[in-house]
Formats: sequence, structure tokens, C-alpha cells
Amino acid sequence: ETGVTQTPRHLVMGMTNKKSLKCEQHLGHNAMYWYKQSAKKPLELMFVYSLEERVENNSVPSRFSPECPNSSHLFLHLHTLQPEDSALYLCASSQDTRGSEKLFFGSGTQLSVL
Amino acid sequence: QQQVKQSPQSLIVQKGGISIINCAYENTAFDYFPWYQQFPGKGPALLIAIRPDVSEKKEGRFTISFNKSAKQFSLHIMDSQPGDSATYFCAASRGHQAGTALIFGKGTTLSVSS
Repeated sequence: ETGVTQTPRHLVMGMTNKKSLKCEQHLGHNAMYWYKQSAKKPLELMFVYSLEERVENNSVPSRFSPECPNSSHLFLHLHTLQPEDSALYLCASSQDTRGSEKLFFGSGTQLSVL
Repeated sequence: QQQVKQSPQSLIVQKGGISIINCAYENTAFDYFPWYQQFPGKGPALLIAIRPDVSEKKEGRFTISFNKSAKQFSLHIMDSQPGDSATYFCAASRGHQAGTALIFGKGTTLSVSS
């Protein structure tokens, strides 16, 4: 195991639902990330948190709302999603936010929006 | 604008053969180039990485070749095994800069036939 745990593993939701993805890291890292993985596309960085403060937001639609209550936990709150938001959502952590830091990924949440 | 271009999209190699995946980048400020390996149902995991002060780095059967003038780097897997079947992502970043993020390629799905 990588030390990064994501729940749930699979999620099916309607366009009007509200749901949350959870990520927990047991590595003592200071940085946490949300990535979106779609077929035949590069991994897309959504949000970066360093010591619980958001440091980067790559123009993600407001229907995605991150929350980092402490350095070990990261949430992604979802509401009124679109079918094109169906993808694998990956959480990752690293010691800090330098570009050369090794990323430790969770196994992801496979999201289907109906 | 895709900053890291990866090819081929998919690759089939015979057991014992050499697998070669290529990447090209545009931003000359990039100075850290990792490869991540992803098995089905898992998140990506760091495989090997290189900095531009060397032209080649080898770890076991995996070698990165780096051509700074051409802004290209490649992953070579020697003596490819069925267990190497996975998706491989190249990436690039400004390694020493805080708050910077890895830019990933689209990925290459490798199948090693026995």
C-alpha cells in the first residue's frame, strides 16, 4: 500500500446529488493533491494544498469544492455534476510542493455521473 | 496546450523484448523528469526519474535517456516481462520550485505478451 487511502472506491451519482470523496494519508506529508484521470487524457491537476492551505487551483469548475481540515485529510465535495465529470479521481500526497517531490497516489475513486 | 507529448498511445511487446516510450516537452524551465507506472485499479507510482545534468539513468531493467537539446526523453524497458504490462506516464516539472506541479503526458498502455 502507498499510505494514501481513498474512499469510496466507486461512486455513481445523479446530476442533482451531493457527494464527497475522502482521502487520508498516513505518511506525515505536508502537501496533498486532487487529480482527475480521464481516458486518453493527461492527468489533470485540480487542487494543491500545502499545510492545509490551498496553493493552486487550476480553474476547476465550482461544482468541485475541496476541503483540507488538517494535513492528513483531504475531501472533494461534489454537487450538480455533469456526465463529462465521470472519471477516476486520484488523491496524492508528497513531503512538500516542490516539483521534484515524489507523489504517493491513492487507488482513486471511479466516479460515474448519470 | 499540451506541454508534455507522449507516444505511442499503446504498445505491444513480446516477452524479452525492449519497450520504448518517448516524451517531448516544450518548457525549457523544466528540470525534473519522472516516469510513473500505473497498474489497473491502482494509482500511479514513481518508477524512475532524471534531471538534465545527466543523459541517462538506469535502475534495473528500466533506463531513462535524456536529450536536452531536442527536449526529449524516453523510457526503455529491457527484457520486458508480462508483469510490466501497465500504463506509463512521463511528466515534467521545475523541480526546485515550491508550489509547482508535475505536468503529465497522456500515458502509454504497454502490453507484454508471453
